[in-house]
Amino acid sequence: DTGVSQNPRHKITKRGQNVTFRCDPISEHNRLYWYRQTLGQGPEFLTYFQNEAQLEKSRLLSDRFSAERPKGSFSTLEIQRTEQGDSAMYLCASSSKQPGIYGYTFGSGTRLTVV
Amino acid sequence: TQLLEQSPQFLSIQEGENLTVYCNSSSVFSSLQWYRQEPGEGPVLLVTVVTGGEVKKLKRLTFQFGDARKDSSLHITAAQTGDTGLYLCAGGSYSGAGSYQLTFGKGTKLSVIP
Repeated sequence: DTGVSQNPRHKITKRGQNVTFRCDPISEHNRLYWYRQTLGQGPEFLTYFQNEAQLEKSRLLSDRFSAERPKGSFSTLEIQRTEQGDSAMYLCASSSKQPGIYGYTFGSGTRLTVV
Repeated sequence: TQLLEQSPQFLSIQEGENLTVYCNSSSVFSSLQWYRQEPGEGPVLLVTVVTGGEVKKLKRLTFQFGDARKDSSLHITAAQTGDTGLYLCAGGSYSGAGSYQLTFGKGTKLSVIP
């Protein structure tokens, strides 16, 4: 078990380009979350998957954002037509059946810079 | 909207000193978690407290959950340079869709000076 893996670690892109991030959760965790963290703030919830089903999306997730988790394994988060306001650390986390007791395991994040 | 306020926002202390950081909310949470985050990394879970009034100790760290399950504190005894980092509290609650969502505070940035 190597924990939650996120790729790439860093991404610099020009405004208007599309970007895609990948998250590989802990293999036995069926719950997967995406959070976004901007400078000086705590992480904010974006979306939640249970197995392959996307069950919840935050209002922060505009229509330029899309997330998938095919076959309930890895997940991808795509941002289309990036804007400077999208610059942030994008964190993926996974959890077991009792996240209220055992918490989340976060990945190291993907830091996105939009120039 | 559930909000968590953490104080102080920044704390710089000498090695060996004691410190307490606070996490307050007007909302009740089913549980509260403390995470520690280092620069460029994701948060790492330190502890979960579930019961009002609960106290948990993790070596030199003592965590307390308020009786009303709205606030929490983290006390560090004899701080070490390795305690340097961003301490985040997060209130947990289940949404209508069944997801366990965490609402994070902005964190307390702790610097322990040798």
